[in-house]
Amino acid sequence: GENVGLHLPTLSVQEGDNSIINCAYSNSASDYFIWYKQESGKGPQFIIDIRSNMDKRQGQRVTVLLNKTVKHLSLQIAATQPGDSAVYFCAEIGGYNFNKFYFGSGTKLNVKP
Amino acid sequence: EAQVTQNPRYLITVTGKKLTVTCSQNMNHEYMSWYRQDPGLGLRQIYYSMNVEVTDKGDVPEGYKVSRKEKRNFPLILESPSPNQTSLYFCASSLGGGPQHFGDGTRLSIL
Repeated sequence: GENVGLHLPTLSVQEGDNSIINCAYSNSASDYFIWYKQESGKGPQFIIDIRSNMDKRQGQRVTVLLNKTVKHLSLQIAATQPGDSAVYFCAEIGGYNFNKFYFGSGTKLNVKP
Repeated sequence: EAQVTQNPRYLITVTGKKLTVTCSQNMNHEYMSWYRQDPGLGLRQIYYSMNVEVTDKGDVPEGYKVSRKEKRNFPLILESPSPNQTSLYFCASSLGGGPQHFGDGTRLSIL
């Protein structure tokens, strides 16, 4: 299967600081990437997505960067808040089958007040 | 409210006793999918369906069955559950090619 993984399993940041969560993927043909947030006891919640014809996409307090050269994407959260504490996953739609999704194992973000 | 609803949310059962986890979505989405989530392994796709009567295997389909007789429903069937199917299961739906909406999960324990 596709290899979608995360560099750091746990990230601790101070409230108000910016957070950066990283993700690597292995299939250069992958076309579509999504970041999800998962709070305890809940299902993953869509945050932001990006297609391979873009390098950057911004949402409300979040920015996703895609570097196709090194097959890496990152999620930047500005002015991190306690409510941002959760596990964050990147997901990739398989480059050869646009119906198959591959998820990384997740990064836990702890926001310290 | 747009949502994906799974039932049951929790189930403890025994090896070999057939069970079904239901999934229903009210967003008229064509695409639906089942995942299992295990510590250290993230979410792994079990089966997906592109539309009514169209299903295909994900990465870990062994021991599971699905059906898609109606657009809104996509049940997951474990014909003969085994302890290695103890996991947290998620159903998701989306418009074709878009981000998925997830249910809140079903925690299965197979003894």
